[in-house]
Amino acid sequence: DTAVSQTPKYLVTQMGNDKSIKCEQNLGHDTMYWYKQDSKKFLKIMFSYNNKELIINETVPNRFSPKSPDKAHLNLHINSLELGDSAVYFCASSQDLGFSYEQYFGPGTRLTVT
Amino acid sequence: GNSVTQMEGPVTLSEEAFLTINCTYTATGYPSLFWYVQYPGEGLQLLLKATKADDKGSNKGFEATYRKETTSFHLEKGSVQVSDSAVYFCALRDVRRNQFYFGTGTSLTVIP
Repeated sequence: DTAVSQTPKYLVTQMGNDKSIKCEQNLGHDTMYWYKQDSKKFLKIMFSYNNKELIINETVPNRFSPKSPDKAHLNLHINSLELGDSAVYFCASSQDLGFSYEQYFGPGTRLTVT
Repeated sequence: GNSVTQMEGPVTLSEEAFLTINCTYTATGYPSLFWYVQYPGEGLQLLLKATKADDKGSNKGFEATYRKETTSFHLEKGSVQVSDSAVYFCALRDVRRNQFYFGTGTSLTVIP
């Protein structure tokens, strides 16, 4: 069973469009995250979210918004796509309590904006 | 605040060479420390972890020791293989806030 899944794996779209990426985790974790990875492999946290708190990286444009229909899902909506949004987006999840809990990552969604 | 500083890459080694990738951190409180590996075209996966000072994490021949006195968590492997070619990320977890902080990643290429 896939622990953290994302759809679609590839997304090609034009500037100005609105798109969504879906993420689901079947691990029963409390917190989910979205990361953006650029072409140099730099990983940037965008959001973390659990049922109590949404933490937004202040550098993320408000065209990006996370939406969580339930604890197992955290979707990423992007409005008015720009060329600079092209990147690989990773969803991740982790358990809240305990020192040893790591993050589990999805396989990534490669977004290309033309 | 929390941050992770990682050795710049790319790193190219011959098969069976010794590998060290340096990682230092700054943290409030007592973080947990992790090394993740990203193989080409894939997501990140946990390689090893350590949750308190002097803990040694190990997996697949890789090791890293949590050094509180030097705020370091260097990754080592005695003999690398071609299949170890990947990008390696050092990370810390602020346990109190359940937030993760990643280094910039180090690309490793192992040549036969």
